[in-house]
Amino acid sequence: GDSVTQMEGPVTLSEEAFLTINCTYTATGYPSLFWYVQYPGEGLQLLLKATKADDKGSNKGFEATYRKETTSFHLEKGSVQVSDSAVYFCALREQAGTALIFGKGTTLSVSS
Amino acid sequence: GAGVSQSPSNKVTEKGKDVELRCDPISGHTALYWYRQSLGQGLEFLIYFQGNSAPDKSGLPSDRFSAERTGGSVSTLTIQRTQQEDSAVYLCASSPGTATNEKLFFGSGTQLSVL
Repeated sequence: GDSVTQMEGPVTLSEEAFLTINCTYTATGYPSLFWYVQYPGEGLQLLLKATKADDKGSNKGFEATYRKETTSFHLEKGSVQVSDSAVYFCALREQAGTALIFGKGTTLSVSS
Repeated sequence: GAGVSQSPSNKVTEKGKDVELRCDPISGHTALYWYRQSLGQGLEFLIYFQGNSAPDKSGLPSDRFSAERTGGSVSTLTIQRTQQEDSAVYLCASSPGTATNEKLFFGSGTQLSVL
């Protein structure tokens, strides 16, 4: 079945460092891919998404490119801030009318 | 309301008791999802509703778990004879439709603790 694998955390960085959180997926077709973020004390919210190969999703300085050849959707940010400290979830949905499948989440901690 | 509302926000119960968790989705959202979030396990899918019917309930971990949705709106997740391993945060989400690229709107969750 479909699945999502994320790099294990926690990821600890200093402010202004470069961030990469790896995400790979398994699917039989052409899923839509998502990154959701959960800030401390808040509910999950959509960060960005991409719906077809080579699409790049971007928001709040974060980017992720849908790579079908490597079945990956890695999250990147050039310069992280303390306010980016959160748990990040990679997710996919392969077909309309099915549930979103999430990875286990990666905790990011940014210090000043 | 403006967002997905879940109640209670916290629930402490004794092993063996039944609990009901409630979700009020965003008005007009036809799709509703229940997930469970446990430490080290990420987000585990439980059940999905389209309107009042549940096309996918494959994630319910045992027959102690059930859910219903009435009037295409409020949903209740019921856990019977609770066990300690049921302790987790139960998240509800809704979306306007079920397109592949549809965004989910999440509630703040119910923290369930089974003693």
